[in-house]
Amino acid sequence: KQEVTQIPAALSVPEGENLVLNCSFTDSAIYNLQWFRQDPGKGLTSLLLIQSSQREQTSGRLNASLDKSSGRSTLYIAASQPGDSATYLCAMRDANAGKSTFGDGTTLTVKP
Amino acid sequence: DAGVIQSPRHEVTEMGQEVTLRCKPISGHDYLFWYRQTMMRGLELLIYFNNNVPIDDSGMPEDRFSAKMPNASFSTLKIQPSEPRDSAVYFCASSPDRVLAAFFGQGTRLTVV
Repeated sequence: KQEVTQIPAALSVPEGENLVLNCSFTDSAIYNLQWFRQDPGKGLTSLLLIQSSQREQTSGRLNASLDKSSGRSTLYIAASQPGDSATYLCAMRDANAGKSTFGDGTTLTVKP
Repeated sequence: DAGVIQSPRHEVTEMGQEVTLRCKPISGHDYLFWYRQTMMRGLELLIYFNNNVPIDDSGMPEDRFSAKMPNASFSTLKIQPSEPRDSAVYFCASSPDRVLAAFFGQGTRLTVV
């Protein structure tokens, strides 16, 4: 059974800092890994999707990496802004069945 | 496309009542997922459909929960009878296939009193 862990559970940084969010998983048999953002009381917004055959994806100030051999993914946020404050979740898509397993998320606060 | 549409956005009901949550997936998406999110347990997959057929319902907590997908553009999640511990945010998501991104609705916040 896939287990997904996100560390840290919460992170507070001053504006402008570069930061890394971590996601680890136990079963490397995945189709893809997806990073989401969730604002309080809102739904999930997809940020980046990395296919199993890829190692990283970039979108603007965001860069996500995938290392299946070590069971890890990171989300790098460059030059953080107060608007980046949200909870970030990673999810693994099962290679066999197509369902996703989510981590508990990292709640990021970027202070102006 | 307007994205995944869920209704209602909020639902408050008394214990014992029947609750029906609704979802309209993105047109053309063959996969539909129902998730539940709570502070204690995070995001949990309840059930998912492929081409309107339930594939895996192992996440459905008990027989009080049921889900249907009568056609490609509509799904329901029903709780009967509802209990206070069912209070959570219920999300619906859809995906074109099992290798592409999943798109989430805004969720239904259910409170059972």
